[in-house]
Amino acid sequence: DTGVSQDPRHKITKRGQNVTFRCDPISEHNRLYWYRQTLGQGPEFLTYFQNEAQLEKSRLLSDRFSAERPKGSFSTLEIQRTEQGDSAMYLCASSLVGQYNEQFFGPGTRLTVL
Amino acid sequence: GDSVTQMEGPVTLSEEAFLTINCTYTATGYPSLFWYVQYPGEGLQLLLKATKADDKGSNKGFEATYRKETTSFHLEKGSVQVSDSAVYFCALSDAGANNLFFGTGTRLTVIP
Repeated sequence: DTGVSQDPRHKITKRGQNVTFRCDPISEHNRLYWYRQTLGQGPEFLTYFQNEAQLEKSRLLSDRFSAERPKGSFSTLEIQRTEQGDSAMYLCASSLVGQYNEQFFGPGTRLTVL
Repeated sequence: GDSVTQMEGPVTLSEEAFLTINCTYTATGYPSLFWYVQYPGEGLQLLLKATKADDKGSNKGFEATYRKETTSFHLEKGSVQVSDSAVYFCALSDAGANNLFFGTGTRLTVIP
């Protein structure tokens, strides 16, 4: 399977704990995006990378959110000191530069904060 | 700023009925337009796209035409099937942006 993969698919945590999600993009894609999707809404952009450079992070929801893509391949999204309002689906997507921003999405990680 | 407005759902149709899901957009430049579909329990899948005015995107019997004059990208299918039951999202990517802006989604249920 050469699509975008995400791990874990589901995460249940207690308020105040830290969580980390992983995304593996399509191998030849140089752009990687993170989105958040809450119930009944469309995905909301958080941040993106081109290779290992994080080119946009102003949309990250708070300073508790951070993302990395250290070698320009997989990426991680970390949420520190989780809150109940962080419960959502976290989506990763990847694309090739210049392809009209046609993004391919992974299955998502569903986070539940108790 | 950039935004997408989608027809509110849910939409329930009988099999073989005609489908239209309305989508209008606001963008500062000349965006690319997309329809994504999310089947139950699955991730978002690109259904079709159009990158310039008057382009028609099509896939799996679905079509949408990029109408610059009405800033619209309505999704249509002539004869829906039960397997088309899903949530459909309209999205845009402005030439100056690097992310997608999504509508709120329209849930379609097709009954036999």
